[in-house]
Amino acid sequence: AQSVTQLDSQVPVFEEAPVELRCNYSSSVSVYLFWYVQYPNQGLQLLLKYLSGSTLVKGINGFEAEFNKSQTSFHLRKPSVHISDTAEYFCAVSPSGGYQKVTFGTGTKLQVIP
Amino acid sequence: DAGVIQSPRHEVTEMGQEVTLRCKPISGHDYLFWYRQTMMRGLELLIYFNNNVPIDDSGMPEDRFSAKMPNASFSTLKIQPSEPRDSAVYFCASTPQEFTGNTIYFGEGSWLTVV
Repeated sequence: AQSVTQLDSQVPVFEEAPVELRCNYSSSVSVYLFWYVQYPNQGLQLLLKYLSGSTLVKGINGFEAEFNKSQTSFHLRKPSVHISDTAEYFCAVSPSGGYQKVTFGTGTKLQVIP
Repeated sequence: DAGVIQSPRHEVTEMGQEVTLRCKPISGHDYLFWYRQTMMRGLELLIYFNNNVPIDDSGMPEDRFSAKMPNASFSTLKIQPSEPRDSAVYFCASTPQEFTGNTIYFGEGSWLTVV
């Protein structure tokens, strides 16, 4: 079984400030990790994912995330946020083998303040 | 390329009525998922199909919910009878092949309100 924890349900941040959205996971097997973003009234879309290789993953819109196996974390970061980054962000995990089953976190709402 | 297409986008119905949500996955995608999103429970996987066959329906809340995929380009999620607690956003999503590292492509959702 696997699980994902996003400790922060809401994160307010001023425009042009840096932001970090936290994600921790639990799994008994190797995993793939994902960040999805949901803009208001839309479906989720992929920001970035970690499959293997470099632990620092770069995604769209200037976001990046770092996989830390020892801390079972996959935190999302952006050095300078924009108003358009206001959205809900979901961390997700899937087993690296076996059948297709992705577990999503409860989401973090990022509110960028002008 | 067209993404995952869902209909209706919004539906308001009275308690007890039948609700049918529809989905057209991305062409060539072998996996189709139905998710439900609520404030209280977040994003829940209801059921998923592989090559039109239901693989895991353990997330379907109760017998009032049913899902079908008669062919590779169409799926329905039906609620009969509907109840106010079914009010939620229902997402259909698809992904190609079995690789669990694949991106899941979501539709824009069907916003259901049961009054």
